[in-house]
Amino acid sequence: DSGVTQTPKHLITATGQRVTLRCSPRSGDLSVYWYQQSLDQGLQFLIQYYNGEERAKGNILERFSAQQFPDLHSELNLSSLELGDSALYFCASSRDGGANYGYTFGSGTRLTVV
Amino acid sequence: GDSVTQMEGPVTLSEEAFLTINCTYTATGYPSLFWYVQYPGEGLQLLLKATKADDKGSNKGFEATYRKETTSFHLEKGSVQVSDSAVYFCALSDRYGNNRLAFGKGNQVVVIP
Repeated sequence: DSGVTQTPKHLITATGQRVTLRCSPRSGDLSVYWYQQSLDQGLQFLIQYYNGEERAKGNILERFSAQQFPDLHSELNLSSLELGDSALYFCASSRDGGANYGYTFGSGTRLTVV
Repeated sequence: GDSVTQMEGPVTLSEEAFLTINCTYTATGYPSLFWYVQYPGEGLQLLLKATKADDKGSNKGFEATYRKETTSFHLEKGSVQVSDSAVYFCALSDRYGNNRLAFGKGNQVVVIP
Protein backbone atom coordinates (compact mmCIF):
# COMPACT_ATOMS: atom_id res chain seq x y z
CA ASP A 1 0.00 0.00 0.00
CA SER A 2 1.60 3.24 -1.19
CA GLY A 3 -0.61 5.44 0.97
CA VAL A 4 -2.33 7.02 -2.05
CA THR A 5 -5.84 5.64 -2.47
CA GLN A 6 -7.73 5.74 -5.74
CA THR A 7 -11.31 4.68 -6.30
CA PRO A 8 -12.80 3.00 -8.15
CA LYS A 9 -10.22 0.56 -9.47
CA HIS A 10 -12.22 -0.22 -12.58
CA LEU A 11 -14.93 1.72 -14.38
CA ILE A 12 -16.85 0.80 -17.50
CA THR A 13 -19.15 3.39 -18.98
CA ALA A 14 -20.75 4.39 -22.27
CA THR A 15 -19.75 7.16 -24.64
CA GLY A 16 -21.23 10.53 -23.75
CA GLN A 17 -21.37 9.77 -20.05
CA ARG A 18 -19.66 11.52 -17.14
CA VAL A 19 -17.56 9.88 -14.42
CA THR A 20 -15.72 10.99 -11.31
CA LEU A 21 -12.44 9.50 -10.18
CA ARG A 22 -11.37 9.99 -6.59
CA CYS A 23 -7.95 10.22 -4.98
CA SER A 24 -6.85 10.47 -1.36
CA PRO A 25 -3.23 11.55 -1.07
CA ARG A 26 -0.67 10.14 1.34
CA SER A 27 -0.99 11.63 4.80
CA GLY A 28 0.84 14.94 5.01
CA ASP A 29 1.16 15.43 1.25
CA LEU A 30 -0.29 18.72 0.02
CA SER A 31 0.23 18.24 -3.73
CA VAL A 32 -1.89 16.01 -5.92
CA TYR A 33 -1.15 15.21 -9.56
CA TRP A 34 -3.31 13.46 -12.12
CA TYR A 35 -1.88 11.45 -15.01
CA GLN A 36 -3.41 9.58 -17.91
CA GLN A 37 -1.65 6.48 -19.23
CA SER A 38 -2.61 4.95 -22.54
CA LEU A 39 -0.75 2.52 -24.78
CA ASP A 40 -0.10 5.02 -27.56
CA GLN A 41 0.46 8.21 -25.54
CA GLY A 42 2.44 6.94 -22.58
CA LEU A 43 2.21 8.81 -19.27
CA GLN A 44 0.57 12.20 -19.77
CA PHE A 45 0.43 14.84 -17.04
CA LEU A 46 -3.06 16.29 -16.70
CA ILE A 47 -3.19 18.66 -13.74
CA GLN A 48 -1.65 19.51 -10.37
CA TYR A 49 -3.21 20.87 -7.19
CA TYR A 50 -1.46 22.21 -4.14
CA ASN A 51 -3.37 22.65 -0.90
CA GLY A 52 -6.65 23.19 -2.69
CA GLU A 53 -5.43 25.43 -5.49
CA GLU A 54 -4.69 24.56 -9.08
CA ARG A 55 -0.93 24.80 -9.61
CA ALA A 56 -0.24 23.55 -13.12
CA LYS A 57 -2.07 22.24 -16.15
CA GLY A 58 -0.78 19.78 -18.67
CA ASN A 59 -2.51 18.05 -21.54
CA ILE A 60 -5.95 18.16 -19.98
CA LEU A 61 -8.96 18.31 -22.28
CA GLU A 62 -11.66 20.90 -21.71
CA ARG A 63 -14.10 18.03 -21.09
CA PHE A 64 -12.01 17.12 -18.05
CA SER A 65 -11.87 19.03 -14.78
CA ALA A 66 -10.52 18.46 -11.32
CA GLN A 67 -10.57 19.92 -7.84
CA GLN A 68 -8.91 19.42 -4.50
CA PHE A 69 -11.03 19.69 -1.39
CA PRO A 70 -10.16 21.11 2.06
CA ASP A 71 -9.40 17.61 3.34
CA LEU A 72 -6.92 17.38 0.43
CA HIS A 73 -8.63 14.59 -1.44
CA SER A 74 -9.04 15.25 -5.13
CA GLU A 75 -11.54 14.36 -7.80
CA LEU A 76 -11.07 14.17 -11.55
CA ASN A 77 -14.26 14.65 -13.55
CA LEU A 78 -14.42 13.33 -17.10
CA SER A 79 -17.46 14.29 -19.18
CA SER A 80 -18.82 13.65 -22.68
CA LEU A 81 -16.67 10.55 -22.71
CA GLU A 82 -15.26 9.22 -25.96
CA LEU A 83 -13.79 5.84 -26.82
CA GLY A 84 -10.34 7.44 -26.86
CA ASP A 85 -10.64 8.37 -23.19
CA SER A 86 -10.23 4.73 -22.27
CA ALA A 87 -7.01 4.62 -20.26
CA LEU A 88 -5.45 4.19 -16.85
CA TYR A 89 -5.76 7.30 -14.70
CA PHE A 90 -3.22 7.71 -11.95
CA CYS A 91 -3.13 10.04 -9.02
CA ALA A 92 0.14 10.87 -7.26
CA SER A 93 1.00 12.99 -4.26
CA SER A 94 4.08 14.69 -2.87
CA ARG A 95 5.03 16.96 0.02
CA ASP A 96 7.86 18.91 -1.62
CA GLY A 97 6.91 19.02 -5.30
CA GLY A 98 8.91 15.86 -5.79
CA ALA A 99 12.29 17.59 -5.57
CA ASN A 100 13.75 15.31 -2.92
CA TYR A 101 11.36 12.43 -2.49
CA GLY A 102 9.62 12.11 -5.84
CA TYR A 103 5.97 11.26 -6.06
CA THR A 104 3.92 8.48 -4.49
CA PHE A 105 1.49 6.96 -6.96
CA GLY A 106 -1.83 5.26 -6.41
CA SER A 107 -2.68 2.00 -8.13
CA GLY A 108 -4.85 3.75 -10.70
CA THR A 109 -8.37 3.66 -12.09
CA ARG A 110 -8.83 1.75 -15.31
CA LEU A 111 -11.51 3.48 -17.35
CA THR A 112 -13.12 1.67 -20.26
CA VAL A 113 -15.49 3.62 -22.48
CA VAL A 114 -17.73 1.44 -24.65
CA GLY B 1 11.56 23.15 -20.66
CA ASP B 2 13.19 20.41 -18.65
CA SER B 3 12.89 16.98 -20.20
CA VAL B 4 14.03 13.39 -20.04
CA THR B 5 14.85 11.12 -22.98
CA GLN B 6 14.86 7.35 -22.72
CA MET B 7 16.15 4.92 -25.31
CA GLU B 8 13.57 3.78 -27.82
CA GLY B 9 11.83 0.44 -27.85
CA PRO B 10 11.32 -2.51 -25.51
CA VAL B 11 14.20 -4.44 -24.04
CA THR B 12 14.12 -8.23 -24.14
CA LEU B 13 16.83 -10.23 -22.42
CA SER B 14 17.47 -13.58 -20.80
CA GLU B 15 17.51 -14.26 -17.09
CA GLU B 16 20.84 -13.39 -15.43
CA ALA B 17 21.78 -11.02 -18.26
CA PHE B 18 23.08 -7.50 -17.66
CA LEU B 19 20.51 -4.73 -18.05
CA THR B 20 21.16 -1.13 -19.06
CA ILE B 21 18.45 1.41 -19.80
CA ASN B 22 19.71 4.77 -21.02
CA CYS B 23 18.33 8.05 -19.73
CA THR B 24 19.56 11.53 -20.61
CA TYR B 25 18.13 14.80 -19.44
CA THR B 26 17.91 18.47 -20.34
CA ALA B 27 17.60 20.93 -17.48
CA THR B 28 18.53 24.53 -16.82
CA GLY B 29 19.06 24.04 -13.10
CA TYR B 30 20.24 21.21 -10.88
CA PRO B 31 17.49 18.61 -10.96
CA SER B 32 16.92 15.56 -8.84
CA LEU B 33 16.75 12.36 -10.89
CA PHE B 34 14.56 9.32 -10.37
CA TRP B 35 13.81 5.88 -11.73
CA TYR B 36 10.31 4.51 -11.34
CA VAL B 37 9.13 0.97 -12.05
CA GLN B 38 5.64 -0.13 -13.05
CA TYR B 39 4.82 -3.82 -12.71
CA PRO B 40 1.91 -5.21 -14.74
CA GLY B 41 -1.42 -3.95 -13.47
CA GLU B 42 0.10 -1.66 -10.85
CA GLY B 43 0.97 1.98 -10.34
CA LEU B 44 4.44 3.48 -10.56
CA GLN B 45 6.79 2.83 -7.66
CA LEU B 46 9.92 4.78 -6.86
CA LEU B 47 12.90 2.51 -7.54
CA LEU B 48 15.82 4.82 -6.77
CA LYS B 49 16.86 8.45 -6.80
CA ALA B 50 19.83 10.82 -6.81
CA THR B 51 19.61 14.45 -5.79
CA LYS B 52 23.01 15.80 -6.81
CA ALA B 53 25.84 15.19 -9.24
CA ASP B 54 27.91 12.02 -8.71
CA ASP B 55 25.30 10.56 -6.34
CA LYS B 56 24.55 6.88 -6.92
CA GLY B 57 21.05 5.63 -6.25
CA SER B 58 20.58 1.93 -5.61
CA ASN B 59 17.78 -0.44 -4.71
CA LYS B 60 16.92 -4.12 -5.31
CA GLY B 61 20.19 -4.65 -7.23
CA PHE B 62 19.54 -1.69 -9.55
CA GLU B 63 21.94 1.24 -9.69
CA ALA B 64 22.11 4.60 -11.45
CA THR B 65 24.70 7.37 -11.16
CA TYR B 66 23.92 11.06 -11.66
CA ARG B 67 26.41 12.19 -14.32
CA LYS B 68 26.30 15.95 -14.76
CA GLU B 69 29.03 16.01 -17.40
CA THR B 70 27.08 13.71 -19.72
CA THR B 71 23.60 14.71 -18.39
CA SER B 72 22.76 11.06 -17.90
CA PHE B 73 21.23 8.73 -15.32
CA HIS B 74 21.45 5.26 -16.85
CA LEU B 75 19.83 2.38 -15.00
CA GLU B 76 21.82 -0.86 -14.59
CA LYS B 77 21.38 -4.25 -13.03
CA GLY B 78 24.00 -6.95 -13.14
CA SER B 79 21.79 -10.04 -13.25
CA VAL B 80 18.10 -9.69 -14.05
CA GLN B 81 15.33 -12.02 -12.98
CA VAL B 82 11.98 -12.79 -14.56
CA SER B 83 10.40 -10.77 -11.75
CA ASP B 84 12.18 -7.64 -13.07
CA SER B 85 9.88 -7.64 -16.11
CA ALA B 86 8.18 -4.26 -15.94
CA VAL B 87 8.13 -0.78 -17.44
CA TYR B 88 10.87 1.56 -16.24
CA PHE B 89 10.49 5.36 -16.25
CA CYS B 90 13.22 7.93 -15.81
CA ALA B 91 12.15 11.27 -14.33
CA LEU B 92 13.59 14.56 -13.18
CA SER B 93 12.46 17.25 -10.81
CA ASP B 94 13.33 20.84 -11.48
CA ARG B 95 13.27 22.24 -7.98
CA TYR B 96 13.84 25.79 -9.15
CA GLY B 97 11.30 25.81 -11.95
CA ASN B 98 7.80 24.45 -11.86
CA ASN B 99 8.80 22.02 -9.14
CA ARG B 100 7.17 19.10 -10.89
CA LEU B 101 8.43 15.74 -12.16
CA ALA B 102 8.99 15.32 -15.89
CA PHE B 103 8.83 11.67 -17.00
CA GLY B 104 10.42 9.88 -19.92
CA LYS B 105 8.32 7.66 -22.17
CA GLY B 106 9.27 4.49 -20.34
CA ASN B 107 10.94 1.25 -21.44
CA GLN B 108 9.26 -2.12 -21.38
CA VAL B 109 11.67 -4.75 -20.07
CA VAL B 110 10.89 -8.41 -20.68
CA VAL B 111 13.07 -11.03 -19.03
CA ILE B 112 12.86 -14.51 -20.53
CA PRO B 113 13.60 -17.56 -18.36
